[in-house]
Amino acid sequence: QSVLTQPPSVSAAPGQKVTISCSGSSSNIGKNYVFWYQQLPGTAPNLVIYENDSRPSGIPDRFSGSKSGTSATLDITGLQTGDEADYYCATWDSSLRAVIFGGGTKLSVL
Amino acid sequence: EVQLVESGGGLVKPGGSLRLSCAASGFTFSSYTMNWVRQAPGKGLEWVSSISSSGTYIYYADPVKGRFTISRDNAKNSMYLQMNSLRAEDTAVYFCARDHGSYSGSLPGYWGQGTLVTVSS
Repeated sequence: QSVLTQPPSVSAAPGQKVTISCSGSSSNIGKNYVFWYQQLPGTAPNLVIYENDSRPSGIPDRFSGSKSGTSATLDITGLQTGDEADYYCATWDSSLRAVIFGGGTKLSVL
Repeated sequence: EVQLVESGGGLVKPGGSLRLSCAASGFTFSSYTMNWVRQAPGKGLEWVSSISSSGTYIYYADPVKGRFTISRDNAKNSMYLQMNSLRAEDTAVYFCARDHGSYSGSLPGYWGQGTLVTVSS
């Protein structure tokens, strides 16, 4: 069981918005940056959000991140079929002295 | 362009050893923390180990402590993972990943394509 809790799956129709949550604690999300990764089937993870709410170059502004207290969220608007992937949140846990990942959320665009 | 290329994966028997390598290019290797992250078949991402830019700070996930050793050679722009006493549960694709930025609190931002390690008799 992951230290960071994500819903196993979310789904929405093309063009709609989806929110993926990531719940942690005071020793991880509460005091450290949250990063989000997209992993398409059979490929390496790709960074979509860093430092809680910043987008790397090349990531469309349909992707946005936020953090409040010990939780973080990834919003994806204007869903496209190409967004179907697994999404992972990650942060540093200051007590464990370890990088921790959420269990991953499978996004289906119906 | 950041490039990370892993090598050294393969089939190994339980209790055996394997050494993974990660060749880096396209950035100043000696300025960034590097990481190993693995993914078992059909499972999520699992952090394995990190090494700071100079090699001073090293961290391991509990499941690999005492069995795996991370190292780097900044002169060769390379990172390594020596894996000993391998178990079936170590079977996974192992990714080499560079921290996004060279600042405290940064996490992996650039990933290699991974190398498959299979532990089976």
